[in-house]
Amino acid sequence: EAQVTQNPRYLITVTGKKLTVTCSQNMNHEYMSWYRQDPGLGLRQIYYSMNVEVTDKGDVPEGYKVSRKEKRNFPLILESPSPNQTSLYFCASSLLRGRYTLVGSTEAFFGQGTRLTVV
Amino acid sequence: AQSVTQLDSQVPVFEEAPVELRCNYSSSVSVYLFWYVQYPNQGLQLLLKYLSGSTLVKGINGFEAEFNKSQTSFHLRKPSVHISDTAEYFCAVGIGSQGNLIFGKGTKLSVKP
Repeated sequence: EAQVTQNPRYLITVTGKKLTVTCSQNMNHEYMSWYRQDPGLGLRQIYYSMNVEVTDKGDVPEGYKVSRKEKRNFPLILESPSPNQTSLYFCASSLLRGRYTLVGSTEAFFGQGTRLTVV
Repeated sequence: AQSVTQLDSQVPVFEEAPVELRCNYSSSVSVYLFWYVQYPNQGLQLLLKYLSGSTLVKGINGFEAEFNKSQTSFHLRKPSVHISDTAEYFCAVGIGSQGNLIFGKGTKLSVKP
């Protein structure tokens, strides 16, 4: 079954304690990204990656790190979490080249989400 | 800069009534348009997408959307909603030269019996 898997689904942590949220996809997608979802703000992109060892900042990258050492995995790292990073996080993946051979035209597949609370 | 505006943050509607969720976008380049649905405690799944061709796009669960280039809109419609359609709906724009999706802030559809 094609899927994007995030872990953990729920996490409560304390300010300053480093954490990693894992994301893995089994569809051989080149493109992966992280979003955070906050009430009234929709989804905002944190980081994205167009292929292995290629990552770039999205709209709200401050306080986050990512890595893309393998095509299937795209972990999100919070080196020193703060309460304003309490949010619902989604990982997504998509083909970089779809049927119409243009990026931006392919469907994104989302993980189930990770609800993070930083106290 | 590209942006997506969902004009209604909440839409309450009675079961079996028609519904329209509005979405407008702004972009100076070619775009691809998507509607995603998020059921409670779940991730987002694709409802439908417009890439090119016919401006009326049909999706899953009886939803459809119409691309209107002159009005830069991509409104989502369903002629008769069910309780199970209660969810949050997101309009998104894919930019032709990048892989990024830009999302609207979402519309919560609440279907009442």
